[in-house]
Amino acid sequence: DAMVIQNPRYQVTQFGKPVTLSCSQTLNHNVMYWYQQKSSQAPKLLFHYYDKDFNNEADTPDNFQSRRPNTSFCFLDIRSPGLGDAAMYLCATSRDRQGDTQYFGPGTRLTVL
Amino acid sequence: DAKTTQPPSMDCAEGRAANLPCNHSTISGNEYVYWYRQIHSQGPQYIIHGLKNNETNEMASLIITEDRKSSTLILPHATLRDTAVYYCIVLPYGQNFVFGPGTRLSVLP
Repeated sequence: DAMVIQNPRYQVTQFGKPVTLSCSQTLNHNVMYWYQQKSSQAPKLLFHYYDKDFNNEADTPDNFQSRRPNTSFCFLDIRSPGLGDAAMYLCATSRDRQGDTQYFGPGTRLTVL
Repeated sequence: DAKTTQPPSMDCAEGRAANLPCNHSTISGNEYVYWYRQIHSQGPQYIIHGLKNNETNEMASLIITEDRKSSTLILPHATLRDTAVYYCIVLPYGQNFVFGPGTRLSVLP
């Protein structure tokens, strides 16, 4: 089945130690998104790629960056994780333009020690 | 900011219909209504969406009022596995989803 895959499902890192979360998709969708979801809160969009074009949300901290080397893969890099970055990170895709139905992966839960 | 208002929580008896309301009084003509749900510790799952007409699929029905200022998601026969947070999202064409706090639906045995 076509799907959005996130690895790992659980990630533990140390305060200040860079960490990378990965997302892959078999849907061949043009748009890929990264959301942050803190405990008991709604998902919040960090940024998205429309093909190779990167679009950052205005309030996304500089500590968060992303790479999309090809259509299938997208990475979330946290350069210096703080305790406040502990959250569920969700990857999503949509077929074409923003405004299309988004399909989410299972998420990666990040713990910062 | 989310453009929708949903009750924070609802209960439903197993086997009964669950009717989840959503108010979107400032909706514009080209804005879709989307529903997602999120089961604990999983990613959001797409349920259904619509513009003006009522919609039905294998998961649910979406009833949109004629003035489009509110909608109702109907799960016809709720099961325990339908316990989740349900998000109603108004989506302008060409823009991104903004999730509000949603409705926490508890299906009770």
